[in-house]
Amino acid sequence: DQQVKQNSPSLSVQEGRISILNCDYTNSMFDYFLWYKKYPAEGPTFLISISSIKDKNEDGRFTVFLNKSAKHLSLHIVPSQPGDSAVYFCAGKSISGSRLTFGEGTQLTVNP
Amino acid sequence: GAGVSQSPSNKVTEKGKDVELRCDPISGHTALYWYRQSLGQGLEFLIYFQGNSAPDKSGLPSDRFSAERTGGSVSTLTIQRTQQEDSAVYLCASSLAGTAYHTFGSGTRLTVV
Repeated sequence: DQQVKQNSPSLSVQEGRISILNCDYTNSMFDYFLWYKKYPAEGPTFLISISSIKDKNEDGRFTVFLNKSAKHLSLHIVPSQPGDSAVYFCAGKSISGSRLTFGEGTQLTVNP
Repeated sequence: GAGVSQSPSNKVTEKGKDVELRCDPISGHTALYWYRQSLGQGLEFLIYFQGNSAPDKSGLPSDRFSAERTGGSVSTLTIQRTQQEDSAVYLCASSLAGTAYHTFGSGTRLTVV
């Protein structure tokens, strides 16, 4: 079963505009959500997280929104920069452990 | 070391051979995880070690896969009698106990021919 789903395999935006990456989940036991960014031939790097008791967390150009009733979260990047071009993974952590369940990833391309 | 170190970075093996992948976690991180990413897929959990507790092996896809962690530090993932569907990038991560923040290595790209 796909507990975390990223329905958009790819997203292309212009430099300076907002990028919005979406993620849906089904597991009600997730108590923490994380976004990771991955460049080719590198491991994923942590970007931003949000606790299930919050609905928003902001860090510089990056903001994550959580809608628990809809089981949906989104990552907003504004303004987008060419260096943000990467694959973005959404992940959930269950309250019962620390392993992560990842979505399939979204390839973001920011065009100069 | 400063980060999670994995070796080899690339491995090409013939179908039916055994392979060993190595992970050296961040010093002081008691939790160690193995994930794999097949082409076009997300990261799939394989196994999790936490301190001296019994590992969580629930993600291992078959009994050809095994892993050990010696001395609470270095871990080895072994795949016996490799199959073509084992081709993937195998990623190791470590974290402090009780935290969700994984620090990943660069991975081992395994190709079974």
